[in-house]
Amino acid sequence: GAVVSQHPSRVICKSGTSVKIECRSLDFQATTMFWYRQFPKQSLMLMATSNEGSKATYEQGVEKDKFLINHASLTLSTLTVTSAHPEDSSFYICSARAQVRGDSGNTIYFGEGSWLTVV
Amino acid sequence: QKEVEQDPGPLSVPEGAIVSLNCTYSNSAFQYFMWYRQYSRKGPELLMYTYSSGNKEDGRFTAQVDKSSKYISLFIRDSQPSDSATYLCATTLKAAGNKLTFGGGTRVLVKP
Repeated sequence: GAVVSQHPSRVICKSGTSVKIECRSLDFQATTMFWYRQFPKQSLMLMATSNEGSKATYEQGVEKDKFLINHASLTLSTLTVTSAHPEDSSFYICSARAQVRGDSGNTIYFGEGSWLTVV
Repeated sequence: QKEVEQDPGPLSVPEGAIVSLNCTYSNSAFQYFMWYRQYSRKGPELLMYTYSSGNKEDGRFTAQVDKSSKYISLFIRDSQPSDSATYLCATTLKAAGNKLTFGGGTRVLVKP
């Protein structure tokens, strides 16, 4: 299947600093990528939809100034957590839409996730 | 009421048994259905993708969709300890730009 790479897989940062997470589609172009947040033993919560060449669409309750998303190319989207605080510590996962041969729709592949710990 | 309901488990089965997982959804407009497997501290891995009622088989996995009942299932035959994970069902409206709506996930434990 299609491969989505996320980096870094783990990051620890000090409170008040910013941290950037990258999401790359390795073997396909992704005009749309999605950013999720997952708390322990809970399902994925969609944060925003990242569209190549345009502004991201944020879900209700997600602070766009806090979670900056840039989708500058067809293979790369970045999530920057600005002025991070301990409550931002979480598992962040990206996904990308890939066309599946023979199907009329698209399917979604996920990255490996990034663990953020803010101390 | 959540749009996609999934029993959280845990579901414990002996090795070699059939694992049966289910989800129900409320929006009849959902068109595409997926099953993901997520190991602890990892991103979800796509297992099955379907868009029509009926069965779809891939190796030990069978996905079943019944749009009239708004019910989707995943069966895992000859289960292995390595199948122990959380299984997430997901669905999407094509018009929604492929935003996925997830079930809460079912934790499965296959005992050797």
